[in-house]
Amino acid sequence: SSELTQDPAVSVALGQTVRITCQGDSLRSYYASWYQQKPGQAPVLVIYGKNNRPSGIPDRFSGSSSGNTASLTITGAQAEDEADYYCNSRDSSGNHLKVFGTGTKVTVL
Amino acid sequence: QLQLQESGPGLVKPSETLSLTCTVSGGSISSSSYYWGWIRQPPGKGLEWIGSIYYSGSTYYNPSLKSRVTISVDTSKNQFSLKLSSVTAADTAVYYCAGEDGGWEAFDIWGQGTMVTVSS
Repeated sequence: SSELTQDPAVSVALGQTVRITCQGDSLRSYYASWYQQKPGQAPVLVIYGKNNRPSGIPDRFSGSSSGNTASLTITGAQAEDEADYYCNSRDSSGNHLKVFGTGTKVTVL
Repeated sequence: QLQLQESGPGLVKPSETLSLTCTVSGGSISSSSYYWGWIRQPPGKGLEWIGSIYYSGSTYYNPSLKSRVTISVDTSKNQFSLKLSSVTAADTAVYYCAGEDGGWEAFDIWGQGTMVTVSS
């Protein structure tokens, strides 16, 4: 199986931009999806595919990918964006095995 | 709009089998668009994919749990289930069921989660 590695924590000033990265070999072949999780709540999908947002997700959330790294960018971070963020993708062994990233805690200052 | 709801015991004894059910409402579990999965989160830790099932019955399991996991689907009840055998305290977690869009491979529908504690 493969792993997806994320920085444990990042901070961003209110209204500024923050990029969260996810690294793993499988990302060379498969897109990552991104999830926001606030304390005591179920995760919420915020980005999927190349750079798609589900209905209701603000357009300040965007995704990108290059090589073995997928990124989630929050442009103009708001206080309500403070949360844990997880990436997810296929395992590089294929066959619809999935793996979550280690998670990044985003603090909005 | 699809909704998911987990159900099952909140307390399981060590060495026994953890059993959870996820009920799908607002649509058919037999939709060819979705895989149905289980994901867990130990207290204070990250998300771990346990496994997924397609309505046809095809299953996919986390290699680290494969020897202990069984996921099944009951299309007549619009439910899918998780069984995890020989549990230990390390299996204490919030367990989520989720629907994964098969085309985009993204979990776009989640249950609220259910806490399962393994303790004697």
